[in-house]
Amino acid sequence: GAGVSQSPSNKVTEKGKDVELRCDPISGHTALYWYRQSLGQGLEFLIYFQGNSAPDKSGLPSDRFSAERTGGSVSTLTIQRTQQEDSAVYLCASSPGAGAGGDFGAGTRLSVL
Amino acid sequence: GENVEQHPSTLSVQEGDSAVIKCTYSDSASNYFPWYKQELGKGPQLIIDIRSNVGEKKDQRIAVTLNKTAKHFSLHITETQPEDSAVYFCAALNAGGTSYGKLTFGQGTILTVHP
Repeated sequence: GAGVSQSPSNKVTEKGKDVELRCDPISGHTALYWYRQSLGQGLEFLIYFQGNSAPDKSGLPSDRFSAERTGGSVSTLTIQRTQQEDSAVYLCASSPGAGAGGDFGAGTRLSVL
Repeated sequence: GENVEQHPSTLSVQEGDSAVIKCTYSDSASNYFPWYKQELGKGPQLIIDIRSNVGEKKDQRIAVTLNKTAKHFSLHITETQPEDSAVYFCAALNAGGTSYGKLTFGQGTILTVHP
């Protein structure tokens, strides 16, 4: 079946612009996660959605970052007033429930010039 | 919060040799430990995982061991092949805590298998 789909695969933007990154999880997966991976680094947790519960936003690095998940399916990660340090690969994962590792998408590579 | 340390950062082996990657974690409440393989330009792929109620799990050429007392777990790859070359990440999660679902990752190990 279809895996986790992320779009766009690459995004180049100018400093100060807003960007939206999209994640389509595996159908039926109730848990959805966003991670950030900087060049040569590990994965940094950003935000976690589980069903209808309030999301865990503890990993969002600043108030310029926000995410929503509509209808318990598609999620959008929004970065406002992008900065050069926001350049990274943004990865989305979904799982059938919490307490499992999750299936990852291929990521969106964001470059802020 | 949880902290995961992973070693070595790079590992180079000859085809057919074994490779071992080790991770330590800090939160004794963590009870789920997955390993991911990430190839260039792709997202991480779950290759094996272990829960805290077992000490070892094996799947063909890969195995994972867990020592809860020492708070460390390891990935073992036997009979390595060039296609095993990738970045490997360990992670830890407390599946029943307030950070339910939040994986903490190690920094990754670049494994190179030479033909």
